[in-house]
Amino acid sequence: DSGVTQTPKHLITATGQRVTLRCSPRSGDLSVYWYQQSLDQGLQFLIQYYNGEERAKGNILERFSAQQFPDLHSELNLSSLELGDSALYFCASSVGGTSGSRETQYFGPGTRLLVL
Amino acid sequence: GENVEQHPSTLSVQEGDSAVIKCTYSDSASNYFPWYKQELGKGPQLIIDIRSNVGEKKDQRIAVTLNKTAKHFSLHITETQPEDSAVYFCAARSPGSGGSNYKLTFGKGTLLTVNP
Repeated sequence: DSGVTQTPKHLITATGQRVTLRCSPRSGDLSVYWYQQSLDQGLQFLIQYYNGEERAKGNILERFSAQQFPDLHSELNLSSLELGDSALYFCASSVGGTSGSRETQYFGPGTRLLVL
Repeated sequence: GENVEQHPSTLSVQEGDSAVIKCTYSDSASNYFPWYKQELGKGPQLIIDIRSNVGEKKDQRIAVTLNKTAKHFSLHITETQPEDSAVYFCAARSPGSGGSNYKLTFGKGTLLTVNP
């Protein structure tokens, strides 16, 4: 158990809908990262937050957004869902910072999203 | 941006044999290289990592080597056991624009099967 929690575990929804995925980082970690994992694209970095502020952006679609709250939990919002958004979404956390062991990322169990 | 290539995509070995997975990266500024193991239905779990100022690191049956000049790094698993069967991902951490906003770029993964 990495100490990172994600809810829900599974989510089934329809095209055009909007969903929110939630992540709680390990105790003491300030950074939260979101990843999308699909069969053809592998693990793709979406976005990182550090202590409430956006720190880095990856291949995140404009239909997707995220935020990190004062208690450090994070939410990933996916809107106008398309069939191709079906994937596993992982959250990871790290202590924060740019050097040493502070950047080691620990992954949660993921949310499996199925868009029908 | 960073590009990480991982080979092979599948690897099948007999129990007790060694397994080697290789990765190459493109950004010479990358300075941190973690390896993750992902079992079915779970999130990636960090198994070993290496920083750019070290050439080799070992942890029991697992070792990682890094060749900065050639920009490649490898995972070595000795005395493999059936419970080593999983998908293994390599990753490279590279700086974004301005030298900050580090992010992890993952290889596509290697499905390792250890046959009893």
